[in-house]
Amino acid sequence: GQQVMQIPQYQHVQEGEDFTTYCNSSTTLSNIQWYKQRPGGHPVFLIQLVKSGEVKKQKRLTFQFGEAKKNSSLHITATQTTDVGTYFCAESPNFGNEKLTFGTGTRLTIIP
Amino acid sequence: NAGVTQTPKFRVLKTGQSMTLLCAQDMNHEYMYWYRQDPGMGLRLIHYSVGEGTTAKGEVPDGYNVSRLKKQNFLLGLESAAPSQTSVYFCASSYSQWNNEQFFGPGTRLTVL
Repeated sequence: GQQVMQIPQYQHVQEGEDFTTYCNSSTTLSNIQWYKQRPGGHPVFLIQLVKSGEVKKQKRLTFQFGEAKKNSSLHITATQTTDVGTYFCAESPNFGNEKLTFGTGTRLTIIP
Repeated sequence: NAGVTQTPKFRVLKTGQSMTLLCAQDMNHEYMYWYRQDPGMGLRLIHYSVGEGTTAKGEVPDGYNVSRLKKQNFLLGLESAAPSQTSVYFCASSYSQWNNEQFFGPGTRLTVL
């Protein structure tokens, strides 16, 4: 089956430092989504990337889809305590597929 | 607009007992999903449904059954609970396969002793 590798598994940063998580697939993706799960909470959709090389920004968050559509990254600039949580990528094998395969997640903790 | 709701929030079962988890959504979504989340394993799809009256197996379906008799509800059943089914269960829904952003419920924490 599909393998969705997400690294790192854990990341501890000082408040104000940057953070990046990477998602790598064994196959070419049609699209990728990113979700955030706060501690004790449920996953919440952040964004979807569809085009090769696509870059989208949401305030301090920058999402990128690789040129070959096999990898994606989420970068947070100047982390804040509100960024604490686990970030998941989720991929569809082909556009129009109703199922998502989730990565194992990167858990971000912030040291104040 | 409540979104996706799940009942119960917590449950403790003994091995061999049965139970049903209920998921309801009020967004008129066609697709509904059941996931389990275990430490270090991310979210794994148990079963899903692409519309009322339909169900399909996901990645880890063994030991679970589902039903979607009404569009807004998706039930997950455990006929004979095992300790390996101790997990947090999330229900999710999405509008269609073309608009497949998933909306998650708050989760059910299940412990099987």
